[in-house]
Amino acid sequence: EDQVTQSPEALRLQEGESSSLNCSYTVSGLRGLFWYRQDPGKGPEFLFTLYSAGEEKEKERLKATLTKKESFLHITAPKPEDSATYLCAVPAPSGGSYIPTFGRGTSLIVHP
Amino acid sequence: EAGVAQSPRYKIIEKRQSVAFWCNPISGHATLYWYQQILGQGPKLLIQFQNNGVVDDSQLPKDRFSAERLKGVDSTLKIQPAKLEDSAVYLCASSLQTQGTTTGTDTQYFGPGTRLTVL
Repeated sequence: EDQVTQSPEALRLQEGESSSLNCSYTVSGLRGLFWYRQDPGKGPEFLFTLYSAGEEKEKERLKATLTKKESFLHITAPKPEDSATYLCAVPAPSGGSYIPTFGRGTSLIVHP
Repeated sequence: EAGVAQSPRYKIIEKRQSVAFWCNPISGHATLYWYQQILGQGPKLLIQFQNNGVVDDSQLPKDRFSAERLKGVDSTLKIQPAKLEDSAVYLCASSLQTQGTTTGTDTQYFGPGTRLTVL
């Protein structure tokens, strides 16, 4: 069963057209929800960590929010350089530790 | 500060051959992760080390995959023998493991990955 589900799979925006990406999760006892950005041919790059419902974090044109069941990554007035795949991950309990579990990602393309 | 280093960046092999990947984490990072990322999917954890001990390898196909982290620093991941379905990007990541946190819950820093093609 999927513990992390991201939607949409792909999103095409015009420059300046704001939108949101969704990450829903089913793990209990959340130990943080992580957002990463991945450019083609590169490893994921850390963006944000959220720990509790109601928490928000911002970085340039990106704002991440968290509820008890999902997180949103809001992109305000995007630019072509925001084009990338955005991944979210949650630690899923496994024995006495946690396995970082990623969603499939949302591929964002911003057209000039 | 130097990031996570991986080599090689690309590797093409025939099925049933062996291959090894190398990772050097960020200096001082106690936790090291190996992931498999198939095209169009998110990274899937294969194995997780804390220092030189294995924390979790429940998703590692142990009949053909092995990994070690000698001296708690560098790590190698080996596939022997490779199958067509092993074609993927293999990512290495490390995390500081902040005092008081549980392994697998820290921010991870990723290397550029090794793209493996099995023919």
